[in-house]
Amino acid sequence: DAGVTQSPTHLIKTRGQQVTLRCSPKSGHDTVSWYQQALGQGPQFIFQYYEEEERQRGNFPDRFSGHQFPNYSSELNVNALLLGDSALYLCASSGTSEVYEQYFGPGTRLTVT
Amino acid sequence: RKEVEQDPGPFNVPEGATVAFNCTYSNSASQSFFWYRQDCRKEPKLLMSVYSSGNEDGRFTAQLNRASQYISLLIRDSKLSDSATYLCVVNSLIFGTGTRLQVFP
Repeated sequence: DAGVTQSPTHLIKTRGQQVTLRCSPKSGHDTVSWYQQALGQGPQFIFQYYEEEERQRGNFPDRFSGHQFPNYSSELNVNALLLGDSALYLCASSGTSEVYEQYFGPGTRLTVT
Repeated sequence: RKEVEQDPGPFNVPEGATVAFNCTYSNSASQSFFWYRQDCRKEPKLLMSVYSSGNEDGRFTAQLNRASQYISLLIRDSKLSDSATYLCVVNSLIFGTGTRLQVFP
């Protein structure tokens, strides 16, 4: 039973560029949430997708956008990258029947130079 | 005031000690509460849910105090392998900054 997977594991981008991160949820899960975790901080909620729609959104600018596909996998897109976007980006999935318990992927470490 | 607040620590305790962490939350309407564990440079892993009546899982006990708006995690008989950052989560999506625990021999 595959857990949550994310790609790539590491990424280096330049200010102003755009980036796309990918996530496949745990088998049987249909809800995907994205988080940003800066060094020494807890994960900050970006948004959550369910049935291919953004269901909830945290306090992040419109430069952060996402998508969920019919197979429940998801993408996080960040435009016009800033140095402050450097962080670990975590994807978490949950099932409809256990929507409150989330399982995290290993994350994508993004460095913006 | 932050939505969820935790003492960042670190808490340095000897093996076998009992240690407790608290986490306060600001929204009195909050419904779901969890503790996650995060090892260095790894993803958070669900440790336990926190139920209104309190719950125990082996050496770990979680409690909820709605009147004072905090949740707690008690670890008994600490092991070296308990060294990690413990994150509290409110309403499934709001994480605290985490409390670092270091257990020494």
